[in-house]
Amino acid sequence: AQKITQTQPGMFVQEKEAVTLDCTYDTSDPSYGLFWYKQPSSGEMIFLIYQGSYDQQNATEGRYSLNFQKARKSANLVISASQLGDSAMYFCAMREGLGNQFYFGTGTSLTVIP
Amino acid sequence: DTGVSQNPRHKITKRGQNVTFRCDPISEHNRLYWYRQTLGQGPEFLTYFQNEAQLEKSRLLSDRFSAERPKGSFSTLEIQRTEQGDSAMYLCASSSDRDVGVEQYFGPGTRLTVT
Repeated sequence: AQKITQTQPGMFVQEKEAVTLDCTYDTSDPSYGLFWYKQPSSGEMIFLIYQGSYDQQNATEGRYSLNFQKARKSANLVISASQLGDSAMYFCAMREGLGNQFYFGTGTSLTVIP
Repeated sequence: DTGVSQNPRHKITKRGQNVTFRCDPISEHNRLYWYRQTLGQGPEFLTYFQNEAQLEKSRLLSDRFSAERPKGSFSTLEIQRTEQGDSAMYLCASSSDRDVGVEQYFGPGTRLTVT
């Protein structure tokens, strides 16, 4: 089974609007970390936000917030007030326990429309 | 600090040739990772170093692949007898135990094309 599932291959959002990118995960480890990365066309993976499995509150970083629903095993990324520079691929990733590798989803391509 | 750097950024080679990539992590980071990313996919884990010790290798890392981190600083990834299926983006990342999430910071990648 896939450890990370991103079901939206492509998304469009109007500039200044909010957008939610979906991510579901699969693990039996009670301790895990969830991450979101942005990959512009230049190719570099940019770390956006982290959520620990034991964190009681949803993580926020500026315009990014993570909607963490543990029972549903979902970790959706919310981008508020979209900007043209937000157009990129977005990847959800998970680390299980004290493991070292990240498991990545297949990504969502976000296009911000002026 | 300027972040993780990788060289070269692009490499075109003929099938059967050997190639070597270099990664310089963020200076205070003790952990270093290599990933491979093919078109339309997320990165796939290849190997992990803690300081100079290679502690984990994916089964994706065939015998033709070898990675080193001799002094616990920079790392090299070598592919011997390249095949067309090796064409991909090779990403290096580093992390520090001091970060709460031990999030990984990625370099710009080396895009390999095998002709």
